[in-house]
Amino acid sequence: EVQLVESGGVVVQVGGSLRLSCEVSGFIFNDSTMHWVRQAPGKGPEWVSVISGDGGTTHYADSVKGRFTISRDNSKNYLFLQMNSLRSEDTALYYCVKQWELRTSWYFHVWGRGTPVIVSS
Amino acid sequence: DIQLTQSPSSLSASIGDRVTITCRASQGIITYLNWYQQKPGKAPQLLTFAASNLQSGVPSRFSGGGSGTDFTLTISSLQPEDFATYYCQQSYSSPFTFGPGTKVEIK
Repeated sequence: EVQLVESGGVVVQVGGSLRLSCEVSGFIFNDSTMHWVRQAPGKGPEWVSVISGDGGTTHYADSVKGRFTISRDNSKNYLFLQMNSLRSEDTALYYCVKQWELRTSWYFHVWGRGTPVIVSS
Repeated sequence: DIQLTQSPSSLSASIGDRVTITCRASQGIITYLNWYQQKPGKAPQLLTFAASNLQSGVPSRFSGGGSGTDFTLTISSLQPEDFATYYCQQSYSSPFTFGPGTKVEIK
């Protein structure tokens, strides 16, 4: 069974830093492109970042570019999100999401339960 | 960046009604469009992918269509478990945006 378990979400002050982790199991991790998607209270989902299976390619939403860094440890089956210079608008539930690749497209296939990040002033 | 708009933002419907939600992209995305359903306290769940392909296990009353910039999600006969919020999402290019959502409520 595919499982994604996020951790690391806490209450942090504006300007602070946080590292989120996602432990994965049940699939070949280093074959899988992985994403972070967040959802602020009462709002829709917002894509944050993506990393390729080998970690060599990453992309970020404009709202986090230069502040957040996605990475992975394929030897330990972990995905990470380093979050710096946090702002109140970063307050959200952060989901780790596994991509499913099609021949000509892809979609968000399996979601974790999320870890909450609250940025307080 | 590709922007997605959805209409309506919310709707009230009765059990058995046919419901159609529209998603429009700010530029052509061929068929790189997915639809998700989200219920309170849960992560979004995939309904259709690549515009018109039904995800395994999703009831056949759900169907997706469209290409280019205009897409639809149709529920042919609304059931009690379908009351939820629906989001479109484009997988054409980064940033991989979601639409703002359509909340389907009971009339």
